[in-house]
Amino acid sequence: AQSVTQPDIHITVSEGASLELRCNYSYGATPYLFWYVQSPGQGLQLLLKYFSGDTLVQGIKGFEAEFKRSQSSFNLRKPSVHWSDAAEYFCAVGGDTGRRALTFGSGTRLQVQP
Amino acid sequence: GAVVSQHPSWVICKSGTSVKIECRSLDFQATTMFWYRQFPKQSLMLMATSNEGSKATYEQGVEKDKFLINHASLTLSTLTVTSAHPEDSSFYICSARVLAGKNEQFFGPGTRLTVL
Repeated sequence: AQSVTQPDIHITVSEGASLELRCNYSYGATPYLFWYVQSPGQGLQLLLKYFSGDTLVQGIKGFEAEFKRSQSSFNLRKPSVHWSDAAEYFCAVGGDTGRRALTFGSGTRLQVQP
Repeated sequence: GAVVSQHPSWVICKSGTSVKIECRSLDFQATTMFWYRQFPKQSLMLMATSNEGSKATYEQGVEKDKFLINHASLTLSTLTVTSAHPEDSSFYICSARVLAGKNEQFFGPGTRLTVL
């Protein structure tokens, strides 16, 4: 069975500081990995995705993530956080076959201090 | 491209009534759509997989008679919450998988259901 763990429920960073959100996954085959962001009361916005190839993935809004198979991790990073980045972030894993739904982590709430 | 819409975006209904939520892929065809449910401050939990032209596949613990799913075309899936109760109040989000290619899914904006 596939699963995703986001160890940090809540993170607070200062504006301009760097950010790293952790994500560990469990999946029996080649995983497809995603990071989504959700503002309160809103739907999901895809930040970036990993299917194959280069393990460092660039996304929108200055985010990037690195796939590390040996650590079963797909951590999200941003070098300088903006106040508008405050939101809930979800990591998700899916498969490359069939009609597989995504499995989401529990989310990390990011708060940005001025 | 790859836009998914949901209608309505929010709905308030009385206990005991039924509510239908539509999920449409606007510019692509989707043989498979997924319905998720999200309680406040929680993650998304898969409710069911909606397959065009066939019966939906429900996750364990989801009542298929309460949450009716119909996927009549390659661009439309509907979720009907029957005899709604306050505990059904939640944020319902659908996603649609592109017909061909990798397992990339596009999410709708969600529907906020409040049952009084």
